[in-house]
Amino acid sequence: DIVLTQSPESLAVSLGERATINCQSSQSALYGSSNKNYLSWYQQKPGQPPKLLIYWAYTRESGVPDRFSGSGSGTDFTLTISSLQAEDVAVYYCQQEEAFGQGTKVEVK
Amino acid sequence: QVHLVQSGAEVKKPGASVQLSCKASGYNFIDYALHWVRQAPGQRLEWMGWVNTVSDVTKYSERFQGRLTITRDASASTVYMELSGLNSEDTAVYFCSRSNGRQGSFDVWGQGTAVTVSS
Repeated sequence: DIVLTQSPESLAVSLGERATINCQSSQSALYGSSNKNYLSWYQQKPGQPPKLLIYWAYTRESGVPDRFSGSGSGTDFTLTISSLQAEDVAVYYCQQEEAFGQGTKVEVK
Repeated sequence: QVHLVQSGAEVKKPGASVQLSCKASGYNFIDYALHWVRQAPGQRLEWMGWVNTVSDVTKYSERFQGRLTITRDASASTVYMELSGLNSEDTAVYFCSRSNGRQGSFDVWGQGTAVTVSS
């Protein structure tokens, strides 16, 4: 089974500053036939379902602000919020196949 | 607009079963598989299983083998999840979600159904 480990578990960032979340997988997310990394990122606010932000490790879902970006390949991935806004306070999860990371809570400092 | 609308909250006693529903709209039901994912209080998302909406073939997490049944009614664009032998650890919010096989992601989610198991 795939195990996804996120770091940090929580972080506090000032408004307008950068937030960076890491996700490490126990198995490569890169599939040779497509040359794509099947790693996705989600945002979850209290009382709401997760919302897909990024798939293929770096492709933003339609409507997602461009301050959200994804990077990485193989087993190591990063979600970056370039300029934190108040509405970005949430828990963020990475996902590969049927596995989810444990989540990273982002708060305003 | 694409929606997954789930049935309402449930309170069950230990040992009972619960059946939840998830009705899809706004897209061709058989074009996407549907999954169930749960989230216990303060815990990470946990994948439970999925159903191929064309063939009705299912796959379940080993953690729920023997307790979980996922079915679909294509004529009603609805998927059902039944979990038996409930215990307090099954207290969670249960989500249905649509998988986008091309992306490898869950691109649409239901609103969630709270299940409380309590004597």
